Formats: sequence, structure tokens, C-alpha cells
Amino acid sequence: AQSVAQPEDQVNVAEGNPLTVKCTYSVSGNPYLFWYVQYPNRGLQFLLKYITGDNLVKGSYGFEAEFNKSQTSFHLKKPSALVSDSALYFCAVSADSSYKLIFGSGTRLLVRP
Amino acid sequence: NAGVTQTPKFRVLKTGQSMTLLCAQDMNHEYMYWYRQDPGMGLRLIHYSVGEGTTAKGEVPDGYNVSRLKKQNFLLGLESAAPSQTSVYFCASSGGGSHEQYFGPGTRLTVT
Repeated sequence: AQSVAQPEDQVNVAEGNPLTVKCTYSVSGNPYLFWYVQYPNRGLQFLLKYITGDNLVKGSYGFEAEFNKSQTSFHLKKPSALVSDSALYFCAVSADSSYKLIFGSGTRLLVRP
Repeated sequence: NAGVTQTPKFRVLKTGQSMTLLCAQDMNHEYMYWYRQDPGMGLRLIHYSVGEGTTAKGEVPDGYNVSRLKKQNFLLGLESAAPSQTSVYFCASSGGGSHEQYFGPGTRLTVT
């Protein structure tokens, strides 16, 4: 069965510092991996995806993620955090032809000034 | 383009009442999905559709029904609401090939 784990409920960083939000996955086939962000009282917004190719994926708002097949991880990173990055982040995986997503439980990112 | 829209935005039901949530997309997407979001549990798939006239069960389908009579619309029905169905409901659509899903703004449902 497919699953996604986000081991941290919350990540706290200072503005200007690098940030990492962790994600590990379990699928039986080739994974399609995604990161989404949710601001308060809003729907989810797509940040980036890994389908195939380069293991380092660049996305919206300066975010990037590194696919590591041996560690089955897809951590979200940003070199310099902004206060406006504070939000709820979800990792998701898809591995079949229906394209349905399995989501992690979410990680709340808090960037302090 | 409006993208994915959901109606209503908020609703309060009494136990046993019924209601229908409407999702509409104007991106000509084949695939549509209904999720529920509960604190600490991420989003869980209720039902989905891979094309007009087709529906399938997701992870938590019990107590819900869906219909996809038109390609642009995906309806989620609760026949007899229960307090356990208090949640935020999100609809999403996808073009399939590119995989990413586009989400609506959500419907906050409270069942008392």
C-alpha cells in the first residue's frame, strides 16, 4: 500500500535561515511526488512535483525538493525562509493510473522574524 | 478562468439531514476528486472520477455518494449526516497526464 510520512508536526525557523520539511514515502511502483502548501482558510496550492529526471526539482516561491530513491525521501527545502512562507505543507504521492494522491499528515512551518 | 469552485462555502447540518456539495471546474479536466481534511490527518480521498459518468471509491467512502453527470461537475452527497462527517471538504481536478491536482477553496461542514 502507498503511504506518506511527514515526521514533524511543526518546523520553526528564523527568517533568512534555510528550511527543510521532511517527507518519506512508500510505493510499489515508480512514485510521482508532490508538495502542496495551504494558507489559512484556503485550498491547497501546488508547489512542485517529481515525475522523472533530475533529482533536484525547483518549484514556486523559491522552493525546491530533492528526490532520494535509496532513502525513499522527498524533502522540501528553501535556502532563505520568509515570514510569508509560514503555512501548512503537505507531501503527496501518486503511483497508479487514476492519479489519485495519498497525502502526508502535514507539517506546519513557522518562520519567525 | 475560475479554476475549481465549490458551493457552498459553509454549512451547518443536524444529524440525519442530507445535503449535496457541488464542485465545478472550467479546465476541461478528466479527473476529479473529493477529499476531506481533518486535523492531524492530512487529506483523505473520499471518491474520485476518471471521466464523465464514472466514479470510484477512495480511502473513506462510507456515508457519501457522488455523481459525475457532466464533465465539469462532481457532486458529493451526504444522505444522512453524522457528527463524524464534520470536516472541511475539498474538491480537486486534474488533467491526468501532468498529474498535479488543482484544488477548490473548500467547504466547511459542521454536523450537530
